[in-house]
Amino acid sequence: SQELEQSPQSLIVQEGKNLTINCTSSKTLYGLYWYKQKYGEGLIFLMMLQKGGEEKSHEKITAKLDEKKQQSSLHITASQPSHAGIYLCGAFSNFGNEKLTFGTGTRLTIIP
Amino acid sequence: DAGVTQSPTHLIKTRGQQVTLRCSPKSGHDTVSWYQQALGQGPQFIFQYYEEEERQRGNFPDRFSGHQFPNYSSELNVNALLLGDSALYLCASSPFYGLNYGYTFGSGTRLTVV
Repeated sequence: SQELEQSPQSLIVQEGKNLTINCTSSKTLYGLYWYKQKYGEGLIFLMMLQKGGEEKSHEKITAKLDEKKQQSSLHITASQPSHAGIYLCGAFSNFGNEKLTFGTGTRLTIIP
Repeated sequence: DAGVTQSPTHLIKTRGQQVTLRCSPKSGHDTVSWYQQALGQGPQFIFQYYEEEERQRGNFPDRFSGHQFPNYSSELNVNALLLGDSALYLCASSPFYGLNYGYTFGSGTRLTVV
C-alpha cells in the first residue's frame, strides 16, 4: 500500500520567515493534494497537483510536484500567525482509485 | 453555498454501544467518503459511497458500515464500539471521480468511547 512521509513532523517558525514542508510517496503519485487542518477540526483544501513539474500558488503558499522523485513540497513565504496549523498531504495510489492516502501531517507553529 | 455538514459535532458513547454519524455533502457533489483520524495521525480511509452503493473500502472491520440516501447524504454506523474507535470522523464529498476535482471535507464528528 502507498505510504506518504512528511517532513518535518513539526516546525516552529518566527513570523515573517519562509518555510518548506515535504511529502514523499513510496509509490507513483497520481494526484497530490495539500490540506490544512486546525487542531481537531476539518480539513481545508489548499491545492491539487496532477502533473509532474506542476507548480501552483495561492496567496503566500506555493506547492510543487516532482513526479520523478515522487515528492511534493509546500513553501510558505513570509509566514503569518494565520498559517499555523497542521499541513497534510494526500495522494491516490492508483489511477482511478478513489482512496485518498494521507501523511501523518506537519504541525506548524508561528511565533512572534 | 453550504459545504459539507456533519452531525453531531461531538459524541460520547460507552464501549459496546452503537453509533450513527451523519453527513450532508456539498451542493452538486454525489460521492461521499468517510475517514477516521486518530489523535496525531493522518485521516484513514473507511469507505466511499456513490449511487447509494459502497464503491471502495479501506481496512476497517465489518463493525463499520454505511449508507447513502437518494439525496446523496450519508450515514456511518459503528457497532460494538471499542475504546480504539475514539477518533475524529471526517466526511468528504466530491463530484463523481474526485481525482480531478479534489475532496471537500466537513468539520468532523469527535467520537469518544468510554
